[in-house]
Amino acid sequence: EAQVTQNPRYLITVTGKKLTVTCSQNMNHEYMSWYRQDPGLGLRQIYYSMNVEVTDKGDVPEGYKVSRKEKRNFPLILESPSPNQTSLYFCASSLLGGSGNTIYFGEGSWLTVV
Amino acid sequence: TQLLEQSPQFLSIQEGENLTVYCNSSSVFSSLQWYRQEPGEGPVLLVTVVTGGEVKKLKRLTFQFGDARKDSSLHITAAQPGDTGLYLCAGVYAGGTSYGKLTFGQGTILTVHP
Repeated sequence: EAQVTQNPRYLITVTGKKLTVTCSQNMNHEYMSWYRQDPGLGLRQIYYSMNVEVTDKGDVPEGYKVSRKEKRNFPLILESPSPNQTSLYFCASSLLGGSGNTIYFGEGSWLTVV
Repeated sequence: TQLLEQSPQFLSIQEGENLTVYCNSSSVFSSLQWYRQEPGEGPVLLVTVVTGGEVKKLKRLTFQFGDARKDSSLHITAAQPGDTGLYLCAGVYAGGTSYGKLTFGQGTILTVHP
């Protein structure tokens, strides 16, 4: 079954404590990305990757890091989380970039920073 | 920053009514997608439109891409409670520097009452 798997699904953490949200896809997709979803703002792209070792900033990259050492994995790193990073995060993958290609989303990770 | 305006943000209707959701921009899209998202899950692709004036039907859902490829609409006929959810439009802008990058609208929360 085609899947994008994120972990953890739910996390409450404190300001400044580093955390990593993992993302893994089993479809051999080149393109992976991270979004955050906030009420009234839709999904905003944080970072994306077009292939192994190739990453680039999306619309809201501040406070986040990513890495793409393997094709299947694309972890999102918050080095020093702050309350304004409380949000619902989605990892997504597709065969190529979004135009005309089906994008598969993970189930989301609810992050609360207190 | 390119904007994708989606309206209305909230829609509450009775079963059997028709409704239309709009997605507008001042920029031209190379393609546009519509997603549906249910609580606790990631967005799921409904349709992709790529040609100006294109109309696609998915059972009771009709998707239209504007002639100038700057706008799109989703029309639901005889809405049912099972149509309840968050509907998102997302577009890839023509001539963008970020290959395949999707920009999402704010979303429309649809509630269909029995």
